[in-house]
Amino acid sequence: QQQVKQSPQSLIVQKGGISIINCAYENTAFDYFPWYQQFPGKGPALLIAIRPDVSEKKEGRFTISFNKSAKQFSLHIMDSQPGDSATYFCAASMNTDKLIFGTGTRLQVFP
Amino acid sequence: DGGITQSPKYLFRKEGQNVTLSCEQNLNHDAMYWYRQDPGQGLRLIYYSQIVNDFQKGDIAEGYSVSREKKESFPLTVTSAQKNPTAFYLCASRPPGRPNQPQHFGDGTRLSIL
Repeated sequence: QQQVKQSPQSLIVQKGGISIINCAYENTAFDYFPWYQQFPGKGPALLIAIRPDVSEKKEGRFTISFNKSAKQFSLHIMDSQPGDSATYFCAASMNTDKLIFGTGTRLQVFP
Repeated sequence: DGGITQSPKYLFRKEGQNVTLSCEQNLNHDAMYWYRQDPGQGLRLIYYSQIVNDFQKGDIAEGYSVSREKKESFPLTVTSAQKNPTAFYLCASRPPGRPNQPQHFGDGTRLSIL
């Protein structure tokens, strides 16, 4: 129940395309869902986060879609760029400071 | 610049040896965390501390120890009891206030076995 399942494990997208990464959870007590971006040799950096009282949040080219009934949330990267090539992690927490991370998606954007 | 500093960037451990990874933050954050990252497994929580002189075990605490004597510092010791210590270790901290504030990460220490 504490797991967050992330897919796909890897993703290859053409420049200008849309990258979509999906996550699913079981614990309905989760109330905070951040996405982190990690470049090789660096620590993860917060990209965007959402709470379950909204169904969508957009920041620039990055959008989180949240489906509370399906217990799923996804990250959409519009107009994907080579600089977006990184590993992306979804995560969840339930009013504690313990984040449960997905297993990560390695995104490669080719020009 | 405020941030989280992890050192060293690379560390090698001999069999039977304890090693200590440093994590220092000047963000005035109360909560600090240690994660282990292995390929294909995401980040797993080792230990966390919400306040000085207090810390709790995470999901994979066996073979590790921590201390929190100062707000700014949260060192992690990988003991000889940790049989598979090769991994990328990440330290994070969180601002005070509501629990669901974003965690900020350092740039990690890569530990390998000699």
